[in-house]
Amino acid sequence: DADVTQTPRNRITKTGKRIMLECSQTKGHDRMYWYRQDPGLGLRLIYYSFDVKDINKGEISDGYSVSRQAQAKFSLSLESAIPNQTALYFCATSAWASGQSTDTQYFGPGTRLTVL
Amino acid sequence: DQQVKQNSPSLSVQEGRISILNCDYTNSMFDYFLWYKKYPAEGPTFLISISSIKDKNEDGRFTVFLNKSAKHLSLHIVPSQPGDSAVYFCAASGYNNDMRFGAGTRLTVKP
Repeated sequence: DADVTQTPRNRITKTGKRIMLECSQTKGHDRMYWYRQDPGLGLRLIYYSFDVKDINKGEISDGYSVSRQAQAKFSLSLESAIPNQTALYFCATSAWASGQSTDTQYFGPGTRLTVL
Repeated sequence: DQQVKQNSPSLSVQEGRISILNCDYTNSMFDYFLWYKKYPAEGPTFLISISSIKDKNEDGRFTVFLNKSAKHLSLHIVPSQPGDSAVYFCAASGYNNDMRFGAGTRLTVKP
C-alpha cells in the first residue's frame, strides 16, 4: 500500500464549484504539504503544516484553503474554482530531521484537476 | 520570480554514457539542495541531496556537485540506464523548510 495517498486522482469541475482534495499518509510524519505543478513552472508550494495546530501559507496560497484534520490527514479546498487552477496537485509529507534545515519530502501520486 | 532554474527542458543521452543535469539558483539563503525524479502518473521521489557545507555528494551512480560561488548545482548519472528516463526536478530550501523547485528536465536515455 502507498504511504501517501491522494483522492481523487482525477477531477473535472466547473468554474465556481467548491472542490476538496484529500491526502492521507501512513508514514507517521508530522509535516504535510500541498503543491501544484504547472508546465514550465515546476512545483509551487500552496500551504504547509508542521503539526495539527500549525498551518502556514506557501508561495501561492490565494484561492486555496487547507484543513489538517489529524496528523495523517491534510485536505486542500478550492472554495470557488477558476480555470487557472487547472493543474496537477501533489501532497507531500516529511519528518523533522535533526541537523538539517530541510526534511526529505515524500510525495503522493498527484491529483489532476481540470476546471472548465 | 523563479528562484530555482533548470534551463534545459530536455536532455537525451545514450545508454552507458554520462547524463549531466544542471540547476541554477538566485537566493543566497538557500542552504540545502535536493534532486527529485518523477515518472509519469507518479509523484516525485527523492533521489539525492547536498548541504551547502559540502561541494559533492555521491550515492551509487548519482553524484551531485554544488558550486556556491556560482549558485549552481549539477546532477551526474554514470552510467546512464534506460530506467533513468524521467523528469528530474532540482529543489532548494532555506532555514524555514520552504522548498522551491525548478521547472524540471526531461531525461531520455536511449538503449
